[in-house]
Amino acid sequence: DAKTTQPTSMDCAEGRAANLPCNHSTISGNEYVYWYRQIHSQGPQYIIHGLKNNETNEMASLIITEDRKSSTLILPHATLRDTAVYYCIVWSGGSNYKLTFGKGTLLTVNP
Amino acid sequence: EPEVTQTPSHQVTQMGQEVILRCVPISNHLYFYWYRQILGQKVEFLVSFYNNEISEKSEIFDDQFSVERPDGSNFTLKIRSTKLEDSAMYFCASRKGDSRWEQYFGPGTRLTVT
Repeated sequence: DAKTTQPTSMDCAEGRAANLPCNHSTISGNEYVYWYRQIHSQGPQYIIHGLKNNETNEMASLIITEDRKSSTLILPHATLRDTAVYYCIVWSGGSNYKLTFGKGTLLTVNP
Repeated sequence: EPEVTQTPSHQVTQMGQEVILRCVPISNHLYFYWYRQILGQKVEFLVSFYNNEISEKSEIFDDQFSVERPDGSNFTLKIRSTKLEDSAMYFCASRKGDSRWEQYFGPGTRLTVT
């Protein structure tokens, strides 16, 4: 699976959009971009995933660049409860679908 | 909304003792996983389980570890003789299968080995 690069930490004001970037320049054509988050000491939580097109669900939007070398997770109106470590995982579904977590981005939403 | 549950939430044990961590995956899911997270470190894959057998295991998952699905609902992780370095959060996850790849994680069991 391709390697991802994320900033170590980011801050966001409550009520504003949080834009979390992820670089995956070595992504291959059959690899998806998945986002999970982990609120302190809890189990990781699935957020969203995409292949080529932008995706939106009730939690977030995922914008993938046309060359697929980077993506941005957008939380449109961040709340204090969105403070968490956000993981971008590039994954083709192989290796029995195990997830390989990096260090992720610690997003702190400030009041 | 269905969710993965884990018991106990916190387990304290002495080095050399056996522990069993329990998980109840989401009922119609077919694929099951254990991960662990040592304090301050990354979430690490331990083992995946499908069709009543291990489909993949990591280097961490040595002979001291075993998994079992004893009935139609529970999924257990056993550590036969715990070591200090086994102290970690252990997360169970399940996946539906078919074309659904996202995994749903439980709240975790904090294992403290003294």
